Amino acid sequence: GAVVSQHPSRVICKSGTSVKIECRSLDFQATTMFWYRQFPKQSLMLMATSNEGSKATYEQGVEKDKFLINHASLTLSTLTVTSAHPEDSSFYICSARTGWETQYFGPGTRLLVL
Amino acid sequence: AQSVTQLGSHVSVSEGALVLLRCNYSSSVPPYLFWYVQYPNQGLQLLLKYTTGATLVKGINGFEAEFKKSETSFHLTKPSAHMSDAAEYFCAVSEGYGGSQGNLIFGKGTKLSVKP
Repeated sequence: GAVVSQHPSRVICKSGTSVKIECRSLDFQATTMFWYRQFPKQSLMLMATSNEGSKATYEQGVEKDKFLINHASLTLSTLTVTSAHPEDSSFYICSARTGWETQYFGPGTRLLVL
Repeated sequence: AQSVTQLGSHVSVSEGALVLLRCNYSSSVPPYLFWYVQYPNQGLQLLLKYTTGATLVKGINGFEAEFKKSETSFHLTKPSAHMSDAAEYFCAVSEGYGGSQGNLIFGKGTKLSVKP
């Protein structure tokens, strides 16, 4: 089946630093990748949609300069949280899609900003 | 605009009992419907999906769901719960062909607990 990986699985950083999270589709080419944020005991909130080779489309209320998304190839997208603050602490999940139907999700990255 | 409503944020059943997790949706175009399961500190795993065709969809781990257009529902069921079914379950809808990019809209989730 379709497998999506994320790295790292968890990261702790100091306030003010930047953190990069990778999302890879391991056995398929993903023309579209999605980045979600999940707060404790809540549903997933779509942050942005990225298509390979083009700029990401951000959802309303998500700061583009804060959450930098790069989708440089058909198997890799990265999310960089710039100048992270404690309120950015969350569970970040990516997904990748081939075709129009099914998104396959990564295992998530737990970010803790001290 | 599309939306998903999951009735019951927490459902508790005994091991061996029927599992029923409710999902209602609203969509202006024919929907694609999904159920995902999330175990603690993990991503989402696809249980099953409905796109077109047969309205009763069978998924992994013995789960199934039935698309009922007249009721705008896509409830998830399993005849006999196992302890390993304890997890968070998310219903999601996306636009079918002819829609936008088919982004997923998630319900708030239902936490399933299974008692021994």
